[in-house]
Amino acid sequence: KAGVTQTPRYLIKTRGQQVTLSCSPISGHRSVSWYQQTPGQGLQFLFEYFSETQRNKGNFPGRFSGRQFSNSRSEMNVSTLELGDSALYLCASGPQGRAQETQYFGPGTRLLVL
Amino acid sequence: QQPVQSPQAVILREGEDAVINCSSSKALYSVHWYRQKHGEAPVFLMILLKGGEQKGHEKISASFNEKKQQSSLYLTASQLSYSGTYFCGTANTGNQFYFGTGTSLTVIP
Repeated sequence: KAGVTQTPRYLIKTRGQQVTLSCSPISGHRSVSWYQQTPGQGLQFLFEYFSETQRNKGNFPGRFSGRQFSNSRSEMNVSTLELGDSALYLCASGPQGRAQETQYFGPGTRLLVL
Repeated sequence: QQPVQSPQAVILREGEDAVINCSSSKALYSVHWYRQKHGEAPVFLMILLKGGEQKGHEKISASFNEKKQQSSLYLTASQLSYSGTYFCGTANTGNQFYFGTGTSLTVIP
């Protein structure tokens, strides 16, 4: 099976702009989770989608949003970018997203906000 | 919510052993361990479910003490390829998943 794919891999934006990141899970996986990774904060959970519904949400401002399509592909949107949004954004997929399942990570999208 | 890992960093010589601890303030259903090499995505190592089980493969094993809400990762006879940052991930019954603070492990010849 193909692994989790994320596009784009690298992105440079300026403050105030918005950005959309895409994640395609492993075939058959219905759960997609998003994480933000920065040197100072480590891996922070953003949200999880399952069957097109946001099932869990981390502690991030409303500028961070996402959605999931019927084919389980997911997008994450960040509006009004701030310098502090510069990070590696990782998505992970799982069959059902249950606590006893393994999550498989994509290669990430590295976002730089200038 | 974020589990705390200790130590934050460790340097080993090839062949030495290491223990990485993960502690949560919340009741846990499962603990997941990942290793991330610089510039790469985290790679799954193992998952432990509540019940105090211990799992392992090759020279890496882990334990999970549900009552203490703690897990430990054991690396024996370390190899250069073990270098990286190790993260524990904890999940409660609500499927909310949180990664630990990370432990940087460096194995030197």
